[in-house]
Amino acid sequence: SSELTQDPAVSVALGQTVRITCQGDSLRSYYASWYQQKPGQAPVLVIYGKNNRPSGIPDRFSGSSSGNTASLTITGAQAEDEADYYCNSRDSSGNPYYVFGTGTKVTVL
Amino acid sequence: EVQLVESGGGLVQPGGSLRLSCAASGFTFSSYWMHWVRQAPGKGLVWVSRINSDGSSTSYADSVKGRFTISRDNAKNTLYLQMNSLRAEDTAVYYCARDFQIIDYWGQGTLVTVSS
Repeated sequence: SSELTQDPAVSVALGQTVRITCQGDSLRSYYASWYQQKPGQAPVLVIYGKNNRPSGIPDRFSGSSSGNTASLTITGAQAEDEADYYCNSRDSSGNPYYVFGTGTKVTVL
Repeated sequence: EVQLVESGGGLVQPGGSLRLSCAASGFTFSSYWMHWVRQAPGKGLVWVSRINSDGSSTSYADSVKGRFTISRDNAKNTLYLQMNSLRAEDTAVYYCARDFQIIDYWGQGTLVTVSS
């Protein structure tokens, strides 16, 4: 089955921009979805498709994709953006599976 | 408002069984595919299983294939996960999630602990 690889941790100064990447072969065929998860809470969808935000998600969150890499960018990071972020896509190896990335811990300094 | 409420978690011995439920409300449950996703303590999200809208098609992660069964009762707006032959490595919070071409809504999860 496919794998999606993310950097384990990144940090960003308050108000600055941070980009989180997700790499995997399935991303050549499918867009990634991105989820934010705060401690003790369920994941929340923040970006899906080419670059779509669900209702209620601030416009400082944006997504992009190129080749086998998807990216989530937070422009003007806020303290409340400190969380774990996971990418997700369908498996492209012919199996009817879904796969999540390894997760990135974002720390806002 | 979309709501997904899991129940049925708890402590079970290795080799035992447990059935999780997920009660859905706020949307037309019978129109959506559904998923189970788990998260071991301190670890990342792992996809477990999915079922299509009428229950006629299912798929499973290799790690649970043959041991877990996903099902649904559209009349009761409820998703299930029957877990048999449980192992210590199945210990996790289990989330149910709705699929609207992407996984868009998640429940709060139910904790399953497999230990003697």
